Amino acid sequence: GQQVMQIPQYQHVQEGEDFTTYCNSSTTLSNIQWYKQRPGGHPVFLIQLVKSGEVKKQKRLTFQFGEAKKNSSLHITATQTTDVGTYFCAGPSGTYKYIFGTGTRLKVLA
Amino acid sequence: DTAVSQTPKYLVTQMGNDKSIKCEQNLGHDTMYWYKQDSKKFLKIMFSYNNKELIINETVPNRFSPKSPDKAHLNLHINSLELGDSAVYFCASSPEGGFALYEQYFGPGTRLTVT
Repeated sequence: GQQVMQIPQYQHVQEGEDFTTYCNSSTTLSNIQWYKQRPGGHPVFLIQLVKSGEVKKQKRLTFQFGEAKKNSSLHITATQTTDVGTYFCAGPSGTYKYIFGTGTRLKVLA
Repeated sequence: DTAVSQTPKYLVTQMGNDKSIKCEQNLGHDTMYWYKQDSKKFLKIMFSYNNKELIINETVPNRFSPKSPDKAHLNLHINSLELGDSAVYFCASSPEGGFALYEQYFGPGTRLTVT
């Protein structure tokens, strides 16, 4: 079945360092979404990418959708302690169904 | 106002018991979902409902029975609870889920512990 893998599974960074998580799908995606889940919280939508090669920025966060629409990345510049959490990508699998990636847990050391 | 609410937030119960989790959204969305998040943080879809109708049942055991009395509510009843049911259950909604093009709004989650 369709799988969405993320690497790394865990990442510890020093505050101020950059961070990148990669999302790889076994199938082509019509779009991809990114969510952030703070410790003890619920997933919160960050962004959606639709076009091949699309790049979107939100302040220190840069999101990219691969040319083949099978992979995506999230890059955070100069991490802050507020960036702590688990980052998920999610893609559609047919209708009314999302497959979430395995997640990357980010820990930021002050 | 909370967009997607769930009750209870915590649920501790013994094996074999039956329990329910309730979810309500005040966003006017057509589509609602149940997700299960295990101890490794993997988030897996269980059910999708659109306008009160079950659309997706992701090979969930029959012990789990969702029910949507109206578009704004989606409840989850679990019979004969097992240890492996321990997890965090999230309810979510989206404006329309047909082509999975819309962001999902998640509830705060219900942490279920089966002892």
